[in-house]
Amino acid sequence: AQTVTQSQPEMSVQEAETVTLSCTYDTSESDYYLFWYKQPPSRQMILVIRQEAYKQQNATENRFSVNFQKAAKSFSLKISDSQLGDAAMYFCAYRTSIQGAQKLVFGQGTRLTINP
Amino acid sequence: NAGVTQTPKFQVLKTGQSMTLQCAQDMNHEYMSWYRQDPGMGLRLIHYSVGAGITDQGEVPNGYNVSRSTTEDFPLRLLSAAPSQTSVYFCASSSPWRGRVGAFFGQGTRLTVV
Repeated sequence: AQTVTQSQPEMSVQEAETVTLSCTYDTSESDYYLFWYKQPPSRQMILVIRQEAYKQQNATENRFSVNFQKAAKSFSLKISDSQLGDAAMYFCAYRTSIQGAQKLVFGQGTRLTINP
Repeated sequence: NAGVTQTPKFQVLKTGQSMTLQCAQDMNHEYMSWYRQDPGMGLRLIHYSVGAGITDQGEVPNGYNVSRSTTEDFPLRLLSAAPSQTSVYFCASSSPWRGRVGAFFGQGTRLTVV
């Protein structure tokens, strides 16, 4: 079975600085998708960024980018120019390419605090 | 577009009571899922469905029942609530044709069992 591990329960960063959230996963599959979700205090789960395992290029979405290391099974999220609105819980998630997004496997989450 | 709608948003139950958490989506998604979120454990899959009339168990199915009679609705039933079921529950939907975008989530239901 696939597992996802986020080893940082909490992180903090100064506003306007850069922070990196870590995620590792374990799978025997070669094709899959990885996601980062943001959960603000409103509880809403918001998709931040996704990465297809077959793509070597790291995904980027504005101030958010990932460092995808397939061999090391690592998928970290970098947030540049941190803003107060980035404060939230962040979850790393995995899905197989076969079964679809109805079976996501989540990490434990990292609570990110932005210091003004 | 409403997306995924969950009701209620908050609920307090007494041990042994039953209730149904409602979930509806208006995106014509084939796939729907229920997760529970507990501190330090992320979201864990309870049950899921790949279409009307088809359901299957996830990682933590005990104490929960589901059915899927229509594409739009996927209710989660607690037959006899226990304090261990105190959690935040999320419903999610997705399309097999657009799975790369991940799943769309409802706002969650915070359930407390006393």
